[in-house]
Amino acid sequence: AQSVSQHNHHVILSEAASLELGCNYSYGGTVNLFWYVQYPGQHLQLLLKYFSGDPLVKGIKGFEAEFIKSKFSFNLRKPSVQWSDTAEYFCAVTEEGTSYDKVIFGPGTSLSVIP
Amino acid sequence: DTGVSQNPRHKITKRGQNVTFRCDPISEHNRLYWYRQTLGQGPEFLTYFQNEAQLEKSRLLSDRFSAERPKGSFSTLEIQRTEQGDSAMYLCASSVGLAGGPETQYFGPGTRLLVL
Repeated sequence: AQSVSQHNHHVILSEAASLELGCNYSYGGTVNLFWYVQYPGQHLQLLLKYFSGDPLVKGIKGFEAEFIKSKFSFNLRKPSVQWSDTAEYFCAVTEEGTSYDKVIFGPGTSLSVIP
Repeated sequence: DTGVSQNPRHKITKRGQNVTFRCDPISEHNRLYWYRQTLGQGPEFLTYFQNEAQLEKSRLLSDRFSAERPKGSFSTLEIQRTEQGDSAMYLCASSVGLAGGPETQYFGPGTRLLVL
């Protein structure tokens, strides 16, 4: 069965530090990839997505992610984090050919940014 | 606000009682999804609707769970004879629902259920 793993359960960074959150998936076919963010007390929001084309995708708030097919990875990056980036981050995938609609989420990475 | 809305936002119930949650999707969206999220985990897919038709159900959706979308607009998720293990956040999402392509799902704030 398809699954999504995220490398870190909890990350703590100081403001202005660089961020990289790891995400790997276990499906060998064509996938669509997402990063969602959940700020404290708010609902899930889309940060960025990859459907096709340039494997380096840019999202909101200065985030970007790179799809590396050979590594089954879709890592999230930000060069300089802010206190307001404190949130839970979820990597997610849908697989092409079966159902676009069944989103498989990773377990999430909790990011705490210290001022 | 024209996003996905869910009611109630919180529900506390006693074991064995029935509960019903409502989801109102973004108005032009044809697809509607239900997920469940427990503490420390990502959301898990439960079921989805294309208009009023329920097209896929997860094995997580036991026979105590039923979802409807009678007119292709809002949806309800009912849990009968609740158990403590049903305690979770129940999330609703919607997407445009055009044929033949990946889509972005937009999530509501969720209904947090606590079964005592």
